[in-house]
Amino acid sequence: AQKVTQAQTEISVVEKEDVTLDCVYETRDTTYYLFWYKQPPSGELVFLIRRNSFDEQNEISGRYSWNFQKSTSSFNFTITASQVVDSAVYFCALSEAGTDKLIFGTGTRLQVFP
Amino acid sequence: NAGVTQTPKFRILKIGQSMTLQCTQDMNHNYMYWYRQDPGMGLKLIYYSVGAGITDKGEVPNGYNVSRSTTEDFPLRLELAAPSQTSVYFCASSYGPGQGRSTEAFFGQGTRLTVV
Repeated sequence: AQKVTQAQTEISVVEKEDVTLDCVYETRDTTYYLFWYKQPPSGELVFLIRRNSFDEQNEISGRYSWNFQKSTSSFNFTITASQVVDSAVYFCALSEAGTDKLIFGTGTRLQVFP
Repeated sequence: NAGVTQTPKFRILKIGQSMTLQCTQDMNHNYMYWYRQDPGMGLKLIYYSVGAGITDKGEVPNGYNVSRSTTEDFPLRLELAAPSQTSVYFCASSYGPGQGRSTEAFFGQGTRLTVV
């Protein structure tokens, strides 16, 4: 069965600290996709990144970076030099090839204090 | 550039009442979805559709119905509302997988429903 685990329920940091959000997934498929979404206090879901199971290269986008490791079934998300605007709930999600149905983790609430 | 539009944004229902949550998208996406988000939980799939006239159950379909008569619209019907249906509901759409690819889903703003 597919499953996504985000063990960190809530993280609090002070502005400018680096923070890593963990995501561990389970799937029996060899082809799958991993996603991160951001849910700010306003409630909408904002797409951040999609990775496929054949691409283990780390990705960096500004202050955001993602570390995908198939050996540990993890897809961790790091925010460098966090800012107050990064405060949100972050969801990791999984879908199998051939379907866009998402299996979500329970989310990690990040609070960044000034 | 509307994207995915949900109405209403908020609603309070009494136990046993019925209502329809509206969802429309203007991106010509084939796939549409309804998810619910309960406090402290991730989103769970209620129903989805891969095209007009085709719908299928997700993980938590009990108490809900859907229809897909057009590509743009995917309404979610609640019959005989129960307190357990108090949740935030999200509609989403995507192009749909092609050749084994998965595409990102675009989400609406959500509908906060309270059943009392």
